[in-house]
Amino acid sequence: NAGVTQTPKFRVLKTGQSMTLLCAQDMNHEYMYWYRQDPGMGLRLIHYSVGEGTTAKGEVPDGYNVSRLKKQNFLLGLESAAPSQTSVYFCASSNRVPEAFFGQGTRLTVV
Amino acid sequence: KQEVTQIPAALSVPEGENLVLNCSFTDSAIYNLQWFRQDPGKGLTSLLLIQSSQREQTSGRLNASLDKSSGRSTLYIAASQPGDSATYLCAVRSSGTYKYIFGTGTRLKVLA
Repeated sequence: NAGVTQTPKFRVLKTGQSMTLLCAQDMNHEYMYWYRQDPGMGLRLIHYSVGEGTTAKGEVPDGYNVSRLKKQNFLLGLESAAPSQTSVYFCASSNRVPEAFFGQGTRLTVV
Repeated sequence: KQEVTQIPAALSVPEGENLVLNCSFTDSAIYNLQWFRQDPGKGLTSLLLIQSSQREQTSGRLNASLDKSSGRSTLYIAASQPGDSATYLCAVRSSGTYKYIFGTGTRLKVLA
C-alpha cells in the first residue's frame, strides 16, 4: 500500500517556466489537498478538492492551478514560476474518517 | 478564521524527561485535531487524531488531549528518547470545512 505518492521529488525551474506536480493516492480518499511549507510559516493550504471534478481555493492560491480529473490524482500546476514559489510542496488526502495522510514532499527551487 | 499557534517554537530536553507540547486554536468549533511528526527533509507522519467528541487519545508513549472550550490541545511524550527528536505539528479541521489549518510547529531535540 503506497499511500500518497508525489512526483517529482525535486525540481529546479527557471523563472517563467511551467510545471505540473502530480499527487496520487491509492486509499480511495475523497478529499485531497496541496500545501506549501516555508521556513517559519508552517504549512499553508494552496488548493483542495472534496471529490472528483471539484476544486477549491485555500489560503494561498495565487499563481497555482489544480485539477482533479480522476479520484486518485490531484495535479498542481505552476503556469509561470516565480522565485517566491520556491518551497516544499506537500500533498495530502483524507476521507470521512478524517485522518489526513501526507506524501513525502516535492522540493521546488525557482531561479 | 481559524488560527493555530504552537508554543514553544523549539524545545531541548535531556533524555528520559516527560514533556508537554502545546497547541492553541482560536475557533472552538472544530471537527478534529491531528498531531504529526516531521523529520528533517521528510514528509508528515500522523501520530494521533482526536475527534471533536473525544477528550484524549493514546498511542504508546504519546498522549494527546483536547479541551475545545479553552481552544487547547496538548501532546504529552513520556520518557523521551533521542529518536523523538523532530518537529511536531498540530492541525485543526474546523466544523463545516474540509481544510486542515496548521500551527508552525515545535522543534524538539532530546539530548542523549
